[in-house]
Amino acid sequence: GENVEQHPSTLSVQEGDSAVIKCTYSDSASNYFPWYKQELGKRPQLIIDIRSNVGEKKDQRIAVTLNKTAKHFSLHITETQPEDSAVYFCAAVLSNFGNEKLTFGTGTRLTIIP
Amino acid sequence: DTAVSQTPKYLVTQMGNDKSIKCEQNLGHDTMYWYKQDSKKFLKIMFSYNNKELIINETVPNRFSPKSPDKAHLNLHINSLELGDSAVYFCASSHGGNEQFFGPGTRLTVL
Repeated sequence: GENVEQHPSTLSVQEGDSAVIKCTYSDSASNYFPWYKQELGKRPQLIIDIRSNVGEKKDQRIAVTLNKTAKHFSLHITETQPEDSAVYFCAAVLSNFGNEKLTFGTGTRLTIIP
Repeated sequence: DTAVSQTPKYLVTQMGNDKSIKCEQNLGHDTMYWYKQDSKKFLKIMFSYNNKELIINETVPNRFSPKSPDKAHLNLHINSLELGDSAVYFCASSHGGNEQFFGPGTRLTVL
């Protein structure tokens, strides 16, 4: 089955700096890569996703890159703000309509230092 | 206008008891899931249902039995609760291979 590794497990950055979280996956058939943000005591919420036919996607301060050959993808947050503090999860999915199994990474606790 | 809801939000019970968690979504999605998040925050899929049919059944003990009476509901019944079952259980739903929407979670504590 799919195995997703995520690094680092904790990350502290100064407000205004950039943060980068990296993930690798094992199953080359995976074709959908979402990123979820989970604030303390809350549910995971999708912040950005990318499909295997795209190499990069950006949404305001958040961007995701995908290298299919190397089987890794990364989340980039620029101009970090205190509200970016949360646990971030990457996931790899073999998207087969009606049969989407998300395999999550182990999470990165991001702390923004004011 | 809650999209995915779960009840109860908190559940505290003794070892050996049987308990149920209910999940409902009003998004019109055809696929629903149960995830377990342990104390280290690891999120792991347990089950998924598509149009009331079981699609994914990970290596979950037989004490866990999901039931989907219709597309909008997916309940989780747990028999003979054990200490290791303590976790936060999230329900989620999706449609057509897109974003999964998560419920607020049920924090289960087994004493």
